[in-house]
Amino acid sequence: DADVTQTPRNRITKTGKRIMLECSQTKGHDRMYWYRQDPGLGLRLIYYSFDVKDINKGEISDGYSVSRQAQAKFSLSLESAIPNQTALYFCATSDSGTDSTDTQYFGPGTRLTVL
Amino acid sequence: GQSLEQPSEVTAVEGAIVQINCTYQTSGFYGLSWYQQHDGGAPTFLSYNALDGLEETGRFSSFLSRSDSYGYLLLQELQMKDSASYFCAVRVYNNAGNMLTFGGGTRLMVKP
Repeated sequence: DADVTQTPRNRITKTGKRIMLECSQTKGHDRMYWYRQDPGLGLRLIYYSFDVKDINKGEISDGYSVSRQAQAKFSLSLESAIPNQTALYFCATSDSGTDSTDTQYFGPGTRLTVL
Repeated sequence: GQSLEQPSEVTAVEGAIVQINCTYQTSGFYGLSWYQQHDGGAPTFLSYNALDGLEETGRFSSFLSRSDSYGYLLLQELQMKDSASYFCAVRVYNNAGNMLTFGGGTRLMVKP
């Protein structure tokens, strides 16, 4: 079974709709992240959480919100989706305790299209 | 803020050696990471340099010069399966802790 899972894998929605993307991990990591990937722009950080009670804005948080429901779950919401939020979204985890490299482990991604 | 520069595309032939450069401007620098991403896949970790010098992991090596704000990923004995995008990422420290900022990625095409 995959260590980091994302649901849904693909989603097509309309402008103005509320969308939630979910991420779960079985790695036992304390840190979780949401990234957005657009062609030629690499990965840009939306939000990150270093533990259940910690939420931080990333580079491009406007239009997004997150919830860390448990150590293993981190969800991303688009309150009112707009077409320029069409992108590939990745969830990632890392372990602050034992990994000096802070390696991030990515989920398979969610391809979101906003019409 | 942080900025990273890496070439958008590199082409090489099977069996050759290729170097992907990364220059960065940042504050609170901890280290430089490299990730590989195949088309349709998720990024996966390749290497990390916190100190100056070369780190070798099989066919892949990564180099860092903190004084020059520069690093590179060296891929030897290229194979077709190495065709992928490669991202450098700086690990920086801010008020919340440390985090990664990724470059735009270099698409490597390996030809027979």
